Amino acid sequence: DADVTQTPRNRITKTGKRIMLECSQTKGHDRMYWYRQDPGLGLRLIYYSFDVKDINKGEISDGYSVSRQAQAKFSLSLESAIPNQTALYFCATSDGDGRPYEQYFGPGTRLTVT
Amino acid sequence: TQLLKQSPQFLSIQEGENLTVYCNSSSVFSSLQWYRQEPGEGPVLLVTVVTGGEVKKLKRLTFQFGDARKDSSLHITAAQPGDTGLYLCAGVGQGNLIFGKGTKLSVKP
Repeated sequence: DADVTQTPRNRITKTGKRIMLECSQTKGHDRMYWYRQDPGLGLRLIYYSFDVKDINKGEISDGYSVSRQAQAKFSLSLESAIPNQTALYFCATSDGDGRPYEQYFGPGTRLTVT
Repeated sequence: TQLLKQSPQFLSIQEGENLTVYCNSSSVFSSLQWYRQEPGEGPVLLVTVVTGGEVKKLKRLTFQFGDARKDSSLHITAAQPGDTGLYLCAGVGQGNLIFGKGTKLSVKP
């Protein structure tokens, strides 16, 4: 079984809709991250969390919010989706007590906003 | 702002050829990582280099960290179709990872 899972894997939604992307991990890591990947722009950090009570904005947090429901679960919400949020979204984890910068990625969610 | 520039952006070669891809910055990084991403999947960590001048080998892949810890290279010997993918470098800076935009490698049989 995969250590980092993301649901859904694909989603098409309409402008203005609220959408939630979910991430779960069985690695026992304390740190979790959300990235988006766009062609030509690489991976950009949206939000990150170093433990359940810690939430931090990344490079491109506008239009997004997150919730760390448990150590193993980290969800990303788009409150009112817009077309330029069409992208590939990745969740990642790392071990803050071990090698904190070595990240383990989920398989991604392909989101299309029409 | 710390930036990582990867070159080339795209590389298409025949099976059996050797290749080198580069990751450069004007900033110093405490460590640097290389990831490979295959279509439809998330990036997978290949290696972390920490010491300036460090060389690490992973089968046919050789990774080098520059002496000044501002650049890195990945050399693949006798490339195989299974090496096809997007190669990303990432540097540790200002508390989080900073990713380059990647080199997209295609190895044709």
